[in-house]
Amino acid sequence: KNQVEQSPQSLIILEGKNCTLQCNYTVSPFSNLRWYKQDTGRGPVSLTIMTFSENTKSNGRYTATLDADTKQSSLHITASQLSDSASYICVVSAEAAGNKLTFGGGTRVLVKP
Amino acid sequence: EAQVTQNPRYLITVTGKKLTVTCSQNMNHEYMSWYRQDPGLGLRQIYYSMNVEVTDKGDVPEGYKVSRKEKRNFPLILESPSPNQTSLYFCASRTLGQGARLDTEAFFGQGTRLTVV
Repeated sequence: KNQVEQSPQSLIILEGKNCTLQCNYTVSPFSNLRWYKQDTGRGPVSLTIMTFSENTKSNGRYTATLDADTKQSSLHITASQLSDSASYICVVSAEAAGNKLTFGGGTRVLVKP
Repeated sequence: EAQVTQNPRYLITVTGKKLTVTCSQNMNHEYMSWYRQDPGLGLRQIYYSMNVEVTDKGDVPEGYKVSRKEKRNFPLILESPSPNQTSLYFCASRTLGQGARLDTEAFFGQGTRLTVV
């Protein structure tokens, strides 16, 4: 069964500090991996998309890494800001009919001043 | 502005009263889908559509119907809502990439919070 597991479930960090979120997946055959940011009560917004051949991709202060061999990804947030408070969702796409997206449960990040 | 629009944003209804949540996208995307999001669970796909008049079940289709008569619209229909369908619903759309691949960005609507009492 295709699964995406994220850790931690939640974390609190001080403004200006860095943090790293983890994602492990068992989706097969792998097509791509995405990180989304979801503000409370809003729809997810794409941060990065990585295919099998990419092992790092940045979007401003967000840097995602992918290790397709170990089926792990991480999202690193640098110099966190209050606006980074949100849920971060790891999503893996399978190379199959419908290219279904399998969603992780998300990591809820709270940035405190 | 490229967007996916859902209506209504909030809805409270009673058990058994049919309702429709509308979804419209202005990006000419072929692929559209509906998800529900519940506390502690990731988004789960209800139905998806690869193109006009082509729909298929996702992971949790029971109690839901969809239609795709036009490319831009993909309404979600609850014929007889029940309290276990209380959830946050999202519509999403994507274009089909080269060779009908779906390695393209998904755009989500703002969500519809449904409460069935």
